[in-house]
Amino acid sequence: GAGVSQSPSNKVTEKGKDVELRCDPISGHTALYWYRQSLGQGLEFLIYFQGNSAPDKSGLPSDRFSAERTGGSVSTLTIQRTQQEDSAVYLCASSLQGYQPQHFGDGTRLSIL
Amino acid sequence: DQQVKQNSPSLSVQEGRISILNCDYTNSMFDYFLWYKKYPAEGPTFLISISSIKDKNEDGRFTVFLNKSAKHLSLHIVPSQPGDSAVYFCAAPVGEYGNKLVFGAGTILRVKS
Repeated sequence: GAGVSQSPSNKVTEKGKDVELRCDPISGHTALYWYRQSLGQGLEFLIYFQGNSAPDKSGLPSDRFSAERTGGSVSTLTIQRTQQEDSAVYLCASSLQGYQPQHFGDGTRLSIL
Repeated sequence: DQQVKQNSPSLSVQEGRISILNCDYTNSMFDYFLWYKKYPAEGPTFLISISSIKDKNEDGRFTVFLNKSAKHLSLHIVPSQPGDSAVYFCAAPVGEYGNKLVFGAGTILRVKS
């Protein structure tokens, strides 16, 4: 389809392992966002990419979290040395530009054992 | 500090009646608000927005009201349908370029047939 695509849809891993989550934004959208939703909570902003500008990393909770966006399209969120508190649904969104309604993927449900 | 608050975790409404979902915010500089709807295992979908220059915006069965003096907005759904059963989030853009959204914790709406 033409929507935001995320993979994998579910990921279960052991504490201490590294994980990579992938996001394919809507074609032509220059802005890409990562959020996470912990159980019973609202969405929490993590990082924002806009075109070739430096990303806004202000929401990343620790230096174990990093993200990159290659070629202005696909993005990968990496969590190193995972902890149990990293368990959440990680959502990616894109928009034509910043300050436009964001279109979300279905998320990756991450479970850390 | 939670800038956007949805104080009702859940709401149950009879089909055909009005659903009213409430949202409060603390930052008087917010000038744009969005409502998203989320079904289980899916990403949030944009529903309706309102700019602070308006006090009402209507789209079909959905109307959002904004009371700036009270820092309060509400989403009205009339008539409510069973397919409206979902989690509803209000959100506001923050950051230098309005590039990230802060979300409320969400309200679970159940429409009974």
